[in-house]
Amino acid sequence: GEDVEQSLFLSVREGDSSVINCTYTDSSSTYLYWYKQEPGAGLQLLTYIFSNMDMKQDQRLTVLLNKKDKHLSLRIADTQTGDSAIYFCAESISGTYKYIFGTGTRLKVLA
Amino acid sequence: DTAVSQTPKYLVTQMGNDKSIKCEQNLGHDTMYWYKQDSKKFLKIMFSYNNKELIINETVPNRFSPKSPDKAHLNLHINSLELGDSAVYFCASSQPGQGNYGYTFGSGTRLTVV
Repeated sequence: GEDVEQSLFLSVREGDSSVINCTYTDSSSTYLYWYKQEPGAGLQLLTYIFSNMDMKQDQRLTVLLNKKDKHLSLRIADTQTGDSAIYFCAESISGTYKYIFGTGTRLKVLA
Repeated sequence: DTAVSQTPKYLVTQMGNDKSIKCEQNLGHDTMYWYKQDSKKFLKIMFSYNNKELIINETVPNRFSPKSPDKAHLNLHINSLELGDSAVYFCASSQPGQGNYGYTFGSGTRLTVV
């Protein structure tokens, strides 16, 4: 199937690190993505990783990719209240223009 | 200078009506998409056009009809609206072949059918 799974909720304290996990299905995906959706807004591309990479760091964001287990994670260092949002992982389906989005993880940052 | 703009932002209508949502992008992208986000925030692709040609047509009731007059515009027309059509509809665009293929999303159209 084409299910991309994420845990639905995550709650962390301000200043802690957040780790959002994702399990995807298409082992031949070329790119994997993380998007952020704030209330009442569209999805904003946060970062992406090419499938031949294991890790990508972009300021407070670290993406880890385990291709063998088809597992993707997003670590947010020094989480701030402004990071509260829904985070979606997405995989590009090889040979198509289609993305499959995960179920979304609602991150709540406690002050 | 919004990259992907959708109108209207909110749409409240009665069951049985016909309505359209419009989308325009000024990024020069060749590919545009419609996604539906339900009340649980699940996102499902509905349609995609590449340079005015329909390339993705998921299992969507034929009451939904996309139209792309040119590659910068992708409109969504919905006939005989039903309660279950209530959702947020997102338009997006991308430029395949340019590196990461990332989507740029519009801010969404919240459709409420009463």
